Amino acid sequence: SQQGEEDPQALSIQEGENATMNCSYKTSINNLQWYRQNSGRGLVHLILIRSNEREKHSGRLRVTLDTSKKSSSLLITASRAADTASYFCATGRAGSYQLTFGKGTKLSVIP
Amino acid sequence: GAGVSQSPSNKVTEKGKDVELRCDPISGHTALYWYRQSLGQGLEFLIYFQGNSAPDKSGLPSDRFSAERTGGSVSTLTIQRTQQEDSAVYLCASSLVAGLRETQYFGPGTRLLVL
Repeated sequence: SQQGEEDPQALSIQEGENATMNCSYKTSINNLQWYRQNSGRGLVHLILIRSNEREKHSGRLRVTLDTSKKSSSLLITASRAADTASYFCATGRAGSYQLTFGKGTKLSVIP
Repeated sequence: GAGVSQSPSNKVTEKGKDVELRCDPISGHTALYWYRQSLGQGLEFLIYFQGNSAPDKSGLPSDRFSAERTGGSVSTLTIQRTQQEDSAVYLCASSLVAGLRETQYFGPGTRLLVL
């Protein structure tokens, strides 16, 4: 079963608006990562947040992690049409090198 | 090469045939992973290799699936007696070493369609 579950499943916003995607997971994690996928092909790593971190920034991306609620959010500020893609969270558990991915949020940014 | 490459890009096969999918990781990366992504779904872990250690095959869905990594570099994922439910995009990724904090770099994937 999927460890991470993103919501919403799909999100459509106007260019310039902020986009927020959420991820919930079930078991204890070592870290949580966000990936982006264009056109159903290869994934691109965006950001990694460790279990002892609460917030992390990278450019227009802001990720938060709440281990008590087993949830994370990805905020993309000042969205652009080029941000249109699917976004996945992936969790890593101690004792395993596997990453477990959620089903993703499909973001559409309308110019 | 500059990134992870996979071949073929697309593969159409008939039910019951065997297929081989190839992955060339980033030079110098010791860890290599295979994932499967069905339509509209997240990625499903299949197998990973780390150096000369025994691979973690815990994600392989059946004994029709196997993978090898020769010389610590190129990997081949083989699906025997393909079934229609094997249709998916097969993604390969590599990282410098195996580790939860290591960034995995993904290839473009092989889109497999079993008729």
